[in-house]
Amino acid sequence: AQTVTQSQPEMSVQEAETVTLSCTYDTSESNYYLFWYKQPPSRQMILVIRQEAYKQQNATENRFSVNFQKAAKSFSLKISDSQLGDTAMYFCAFPGNTGKLIFGQGTTLQVKP
Amino acid sequence: DVKVTQSSRYLVKRTGEKVFLECVQDMDHENMFWYRQDPGLGLRLIYFSYDVKMKEKGDIPEGYSVSREKKERFSLILESASTNQTSMYLCASSSSGSSTNEKLFFGSGTQLSVL
Repeated sequence: AQTVTQSQPEMSVQEAETVTLSCTYDTSESNYYLFWYKQPPSRQMILVIRQEAYKQQNATENRFSVNFQKAAKSFSLKISDSQLGDTAMYFCAFPGNTGKLIFGQGTTLQVKP
Repeated sequence: DVKVTQSSRYLVKRTGEKVFLECVQDMDHENMFWYRQDPGLGLRLIYFSYDVKMKEKGDIPEGYSVSREKKERFSLILESASTNQTSMYLCASSSSGSSTNEKLFFGSGTQLSVL
């Protein structure tokens, strides 16, 4: 079965520091997208960043960037200059063989002042 | 601003009750989804719909049904609520095309407690 694994249930980081959230997945597909979603305490999930698997260059959105290692099936999220508003649960997701997104278990990130 | 609205933020129901969870989107999206979120399990897909009156089962459809009579509205129905259906329910939508490439827009979730 295709799976997405986030091995860090909880993490914390000091404000202004950098933190990396890990995600590994399993697929036999060659062309796909990978996603990181953020769920703040308000509960409304929003897209943080999206990576196309066929692109060599890692995606970047302001303070958020990914380290995509296709051969290793690894897709980590790096948050630079962490802010209090980054406190949230983060989910990585990728499309399974049914054509629908499979989500990881989530990582709860606490940014401390 | 785009919006996915879930009718209730919190619901408390009794075992055996029929429960309706409503979701409305204002983006004219073709695809709509119902997920269930449980601690340590992430989000699991219950049902999705890619057009009016069309529906497909997700990974955990047992005990649930859905209705999509209008494009903007997607309802999740618990025919006879059970305590193991206590959970957070998230509705999402996306535009047409491959739903695996498209960004999902989520509602704020309904926390359902079945007593």
